[in-house]
Amino acid sequence: NAGVTQTPKFQVLKTGQSMTLQCAQDMNHEYMSWYRQDPGMGLRLIHYSVGAGITDQGEVPNGYNVSRSTTEDFPLRLLSAAPSQTSVYFCASRHTPSSGNTIYFGEGSWLTVV
Amino acid sequence: AQTVTQSQPEMSVQEAETVTLSCTYDTSESDYYLFWYKQPPSRQMILVIRQEAYKQQNATENRFSVNFQKAAKSFSLKISDSQLGDAAMYFCAYRSARTSGSRLTFGEGTQLTVNP
Repeated sequence: NAGVTQTPKFQVLKTGQSMTLQCAQDMNHEYMSWYRQDPGMGLRLIHYSVGAGITDQGEVPNGYNVSRSTTEDFPLRLLSAAPSQTSVYFCASRHTPSSGNTIYFGEGSWLTVV
Repeated sequence: AQTVTQSQPEMSVQEAETVTLSCTYDTSESDYYLFWYKQPPSRQMILVIRQEAYKQQNATENRFSVNFQKAAKSFSLKISDSQLGDAAMYFCAYRSARTSGSRLTFGEGTQLTVNP
């Protein structure tokens, strides 16, 4: 069982470049979300999705886009990378409430924007 | 909006001893979930323990237990018989039972050092 898989694990971007962080889960979870973690801080919610075709903004959505065309995948797009987006990004997923409240995290994607 | 506060940026404990990490939160809701996550240097987020607000009994997982004080909006984590592998950043997190998805609100974290 692979769980939540994020790629790439490490990436260096130049200011203004665009890229997509991939997130895939094989647990048939309806709920998926993206967080970012800056030094000395907890995780902050960027975007989330409650099912295929449904997405919504979290706490810090500016500069990011998401889509959810399938249950398994939830990519995060950086439109025009800025140094302020240097961070560690985590994807998370969860099944329906009847299956408990455990939220599964990916291993993180380290992004540096220079 | 809910907020989570961890007032101890750093804590240290001697191996085999007990340490308590503090967490307070602010919410107007009555139904919610609270979590403690452990983040080692690898940055992996590991669920340590969770508490449902409707449950009066404090959650326990082996050497980890919580002191949940709903009226005081306090949720502390006690680690007994501390081990070197417990050294990590610990995050307290809140999730409303009303909101859908995996939306967690995190505290700033407490860096725990375990001294041999």
